[in-house]
Amino acid sequence: SQKIEQNSEALNIQEGKTATLTCNYTNYSPAYLQWYRQDPGRGPVFLLLIRENEKEKRKERLKVTFDTTLKQSLFHITASQPADSATYLCALASGGSYIPTFGRGTSLIVHP
Amino acid sequence: DAGITQSPRHKVTETGTPVTLRCHQTENHRYMYWYRQDPGHGLRLIHYSYGVKDTDKGEVSDGYSVSRSKTEDFLLTLESATSSQTSVYFCAISDRQGSGNTIYFGEGSWLTVV
Repeated sequence: SQKIEQNSEALNIQEGKTATLTCNYTNYSPAYLQWYRQDPGRGPVFLLLIRENEKEKRKERLKVTFDTTLKQSLFHITASQPADSATYLCALASGGSYIPTFGRGTSLIVHP
Repeated sequence: DAGITQSPRHKVTETGTPVTLRCHQTENHRYMYWYRQDPGHGLRLIHYSYGVKDTDKGEVSDGYSVSRSKTEDFLLTLESATSSQTSVYFCAISDRQGSGNTIYFGEGSWLTVV
């Protein structure tokens, strides 16, 4: 069966460090992968999209990599700030469906 | 923020009663979705719509129905609420399919079934 796996344990880091979150998947041939941010009590907010033929995407302090051989995406936040504390969700869509399926998310806590 | 309004934002209802959640968008997006989010399960798709009167089932559609009579409105109905339907419900919209379907979410509706 198809699975999207994100670390269920919270990631705790110090302010200024680089946070790296992982999204692994099985039994998918994703056309693209997305990352969303969700704050407590709010809906998810889209951050970045990376397509199957792209290795890396950047947006300001954010960087996403996509390795279809390893079936893994890494999401990096450089120079992290306490305001980056949130839950981060990855989502995948296969070529046959335009609707992404979401992982359960990983909580990031940035300590001042 | 995407122009998505969910109502009600919070509701407590009794088991066996019907409940309707409303989603209203001002973006004129073609696609609308209802998700539920639960601890340990993440976001799961209930139903979605790809146009007025065009809807389809998602991963967890049992016990739910939807209707879309206008582009801007998408209703989710629990015909007879059960405690297992206690959850946070998110409406979402998007304007394209294919490679790069960015989903915009509403603020959520917290439903408690007692």
